[in-house]
Amino acid sequence: QQQVRQSPQSLTVWEGETAILNCSYEDSTFNYFPWYQQFPGEGPALLISIRSVSDKKEDGRFTIFFNKREKKLSLHITDSQPGDSATYFCAASAMGYKLTFGTGTSLLVDP
Amino acid sequence: ETAVFQTPNYHVTQVGNEVSFNCKQTLGHDTMYWYKQDSKKLLKIMFSYNNKQLIVNETVPRRFSPQSSDKAHLNLRIKSVEPEDSAVYLCASTSQDTQYFGPGTRLLVL
Repeated sequence: QQQVRQSPQSLTVWEGETAILNCSYEDSTFNYFPWYQQFPGEGPALLISIRSVSDKKEDGRFTIFFNKREKKLSLHITDSQPGDSATYFCAASAMGYKLTFGTGTSLLVDP
Repeated sequence: ETAVFQTPNYHVTQVGNEVSFNCKQTLGHDTMYWYKQDSKKLLKIMFSYNNKQLIVNETVPRRFSPQSSDKAHLNLRIKSVEPEDSAVYLCASTSQDTQYFGPGTRLLVL
């Protein structure tokens, strides 16, 4: 059973547009939600993260919106660039326990 | 700057052979992991080691075994590979909540 789900599976946007990647989870004990970015031939790398006490986290062009009641979060990438083309993983953990990774969203930014 | 190193980058072998992958981290972390990433890019945790103690084993087949000489090294051995073992194997180390991944070893079983 997949505890962390992501949608869409793949997404294509034009350069300059805002890409919206969605994530939902089931375990109400999850309180830490990092997003990882993976380029082809590389391992995933931490992009941005949020804890359940917050509903928004910004880092440059990347923003996480978190809805604890609905157990949903989203990653917004504003002014998307071709270099943002990658696979994005939403993950979740509870109290520092092991991370549970989502199914991933493959993002393509067309120039 | 890479801090989790994996070798080899790529390995091709035949069914039934034994393979071993190496992982080293220079971050001083106490916990390391092995993940399997399939062709759909799904990440599945296989093992984690904390101070040489196996603390998580996600019911992987017995032909897989982790091997650690110290907290900076966590190798993965596959005793008799099968076609479904073709995947990318990712090693990671962790500091609190953040995991740092290596570049992965791509295994192709013919």
